[in-house]
This record gives sequence, C-alpha cells and structure tokens, in this order.
Amino acid sequence: QSVLTQPPSASGTPGQRVTISCSGSSSNIGSTYVYWYQQLPGAAPKLLIAKNNQRPSGVPDRFSGSKSGTSASLAISGLRSEDEADYYCAAWDDNLSGVFGGGTKLTVL
Amino acid sequence: QMQLQESGPGLVKPSETLSLTCTVSGYSISSGYYWGWIRQPPGKGLEWIGSMFRSGSTYYNPSLKSRVIISLDTSKNQFSLKLNSVTAADTAVYYCATQDTVRGVITTSFDYWGQGTLVIVSS
Repeated sequence: QSVLTQPPSASGTPGQRVTISCSGSSSNIGSTYVYWYQQLPGAAPKLLIAKNNQRPSGVPDRFSGSKSGTSASLAISGLRSEDEADYYCAAWDDNLSGVFGGGTKLTVL
Repeated sequence: QMQLQESGPGLVKPSETLSLTCTVSGYSISSGYYWGWIRQPPGKGLEWIGSMFRSGSTYYNPSLKSRVIISLDTSKNQFSLKLNSVTAADTAVYYCATQDTVRGVITTSFDYWGQGTLVIVSS
C-alpha cells in the first residue's frame, strides 16, 4: 500500500493527451514539491518532472506537471509509442521519509 | 557526467545481511547531494530506503529503519547500504541514486541513478 495513490494503468492512442493522477495528503504533496519519474522496461527510473512542473534538460515539452492541494498530475500530450512506460510520482513526507506512488503503467494502443 | 554503479552479492541467505556498494564517478560525494538507495521488488513499485549527506545527516524509511545502515566512504568516493535480517520480502532490484535538496531541504529529486542490481534472498 503506497503512501501516494496512482491509478495502476492508463492508456491512449498515438497523438492523444493522457493524464496520470497522484493523490497524497497534507503531510507530503500538500507541503512539498512533487517529482515524476519515467521507467522504461528494463531500465532505471529517469527524472521527468521536478518541483511540480519543471522539466529537466532534455525532457520534451510534451510532458507537463501540475499540483493542486494534496494532488498532482502528469500530462503527456502528442502521445508516442516510446512513451509506453511506468510512471511514478514522489514526494517528501513530514515523517522524514521519501514516498512514492504505486506507479502507473501507460500503454500506447 | 556523474555515473553511479552498484556492486555486491546477487544472492543473500535469509537472516543474513545484504551489503551493497555504490561507486560514484565524475563527482565527489563530499560535494552536494544526499546519497541514497531505492529498491524495486520484481514486478512492483519503487520503495525509498534512505539517504545520507556528507555531514552525516541521515534519513531512513521508517519501515526499514531498524535494519538499515547507510554510510559514505569519501576516500573511495563510494557509499554503502547494509540491510540486516533479510527475508524473501527483501528480494528486489536495488538502485543507488543522488537525492537533491532545495534551499537546504531534502527532496525526492533523484537526479542520477545507477543501473540497479538484483539481490535475491534465498537459501
């Protein structure tokens, strides 16, 4: 049972826009930055979105993040086949621990 | 460009201690960043284990705190993970990673990752 709640799966067709939600509480998302990670099959996770909505260098602008209250979202526009991966949200919790969402498996149909 | 590489036994017996080392190249661990460990059981999600700063400041996952020790070896530019009294539930891919701060406050910004190493707990 993860501290942050994500839907286990999401899907879309090429070119579509998909969103992935991440729900937490006032002790984590509500009081700190949210980060998003992309994990391609067989690879280590990669930082995709930092500080709620900032893209690290090299991340396409098709990826965007937002946060409101105790929830956050990752949006992917212009969906491409190479976006098929697992996506995780993460935040620091007031109990002095890093917490992750359970992950969302994105399928490009 | 910073690179991280995990090393250690791929098989550990139940009740024994899991020991892993992360060797960092291209950056001194005496500089910024917390140095951390994250694991992923086969087919499951990510779990943060803990991290340590050069000052000795350390944070551990409360669910693992009683069994975990993270340490830094600045002379070798390495940091290590020890997890004792392991069970099959500790079978996972273990990643080492940098953990960044914002205005001195720790975050969950894991900027650089090792490739991961699978550790199986079995007799």
